[in-house]
Amino acid sequence: QKEVEQDPGPLSVPEGAIVSLNCTYSNSAFQYFMWYRQYSRKGPELLMYTYSSGNKEDGRFTAQVDKSSKYISLFIRDSQPSDSATYLCAMHQGGSEKLVFGKGTKLTVNP
Amino acid sequence: SQTIHQWPATLVQPVGSPLSLECTVEGTSNPNLYWYRQAAGRGLQLLFYSVGIGQISSEVPQNLSASRPQDRQFILSSKKLLLSDSGFYLCAWSERGQPQHFGDGTRLSIL
Repeated sequence: QKEVEQDPGPLSVPEGAIVSLNCTYSNSAFQYFMWYRQYSRKGPELLMYTYSSGNKEDGRFTAQVDKSSKYISLFIRDSQPSDSATYLCAMHQGGSEKLVFGKGTKLTVNP
Repeated sequence: SQTIHQWPATLVQPVGSPLSLECTVEGTSNPNLYWYRQAAGRGLQLLFYSVGIGQISSEVPQNLSASRPQDRQFILSSKKLLLSDSGFYLCAWSERGQPQHFGDGTRLSIL
């Protein structure tokens, strides 16, 4: 079983839709969870950073962590064509700086 | 504010040639530094990380090496490139206990 599983998509939605992106993981020691957005031919850009379980909201983006289910989500409200990118989840244990990444989900938001 | 620079953006090299990719960070001191490779459909693979000058940890045995000659400079090298070294190379930095931030990468093609 891979440490982090992420559906690669592709996911195509109309502008204004609510988008849900998800990752599951197997290592219960993971405590820090991140979502990165990566545009084509660019480096990943940090979107959200959360610790342990719960929700975090930043503008149109909401990150959720359910440690009991080993499941994290990123919700995008009122999606825009500029949100079209690959979204990567990442996580690490406390006391470790080594990130484990999902393979990314490619999202296209159609005008 | 902190910035990270990687160069070159694109590189085409013949098999057997040497390689040197450079990454520098501005606006912070004693950062953690990382080299990743991103291959299509395979996600981000951590190659090397460094917590200080001259301190390099290798994650994957391979044809590459890394050096940190100055606090905010990280170099990825190879003496003889292989076809399998092709990929998108990303440098990242972080402060202790904080999430990683990525440069815009170098796309390396081996002919």
